[in-house]
Amino acid sequence: GENVEQHPSTLSVQEGDSAVIKCTYSDSASNYFPWYKQELGKRPQLIIDIRSNVGEKKDQRIAVTLNKTAKHFSLHITETQPEDSAVYFCAATYTNPGNQFYFGTGTSLTVIP
Amino acid sequence: NAGVMQNPRHLVRRRGQEARLRCSPMKGHSHVYWYRQLPEEGLKFMVYLQKENIIDESGMPKERFSAEFPKEGPSILRIQQVVRGDSAAYFCASSPPLTEETQYFGPGTRLLVL
Repeated sequence: GENVEQHPSTLSVQEGDSAVIKCTYSDSASNYFPWYKQELGKRPQLIIDIRSNVGEKKDQRIAVTLNKTAKHFSLHITETQPEDSAVYFCAATYTNPGNQFYFGTGTSLTVIP
Repeated sequence: NAGVMQNPRHLVRRRGQEARLRCSPMKGHSHVYWYRQLPEEGLKFMVYLQKENIIDESGMPKERFSAEFPKEGPSILRIQQVVRGDSAAYFCASSPPLTEETQYFGPGTRLLVL
C-alpha cells in the first residue's frame, strides 16, 4: 500500500514569514494529494488539493507543488498569520471512488506574533 | 447544506462496555469512511462503506470492531468490550458517488475508556 511521510513534525515561524511543509509518497499510482488543516479539537478541513496532471496550484496565500518524478509534494503558506497555527496533514490516494486516503503524520505549525 | 455530522462528540466508557459512534454523511454523499486518530498522531483508515455494503475494512481490527451503513439512518461504528487502547478520536468522512472528489470530515467522536 501507499506510505506517506511528512516533514517537519513541528514548525515555528514569525508572523509574516513563509512556511513550507513537505511530503513524500511511495505509490506512483497515487494521483490525488489533498492537504488538511486541523485546529485543536476540531475536524480536519480541506485547504487545498492537487491532482497529478498539475504541477502547482495556488489559492491566495496557500500553494501546493507536486513533483511526480520524485514523488513528493509540498505545501507553501506565505505571509503567515497567527490563525494559520494548526496541525497540517498531507494525504495521497489513487482516486477511484472509495479509495482510502493515506495520511502523513502531521506538522504542528506555530506562527509567532 | 449541513456538513458531516457525528454523535456523540464525547463518549466515556469503562473497560468492557460497548461504544457506538454515529455518522451522518453530507447530503448527496453515499460513501462513508471511518478513521481513527490517536493523540498527536495522524489519521488511520479503518473502513469504507456504501449504503448496506462494507467495501473495504482492511484497516479495522478483526475483533471487537464492526461497522454498518444501513439503508436508512446513519453509519455506525461499534466497538465491543472496549479497552484503554481504544481511546482515540474517531472521525467519519464522506464523499459523493461516482466522482473523484475529496473526503469531508465530521467533527469527530472523542472516546475515552476508563
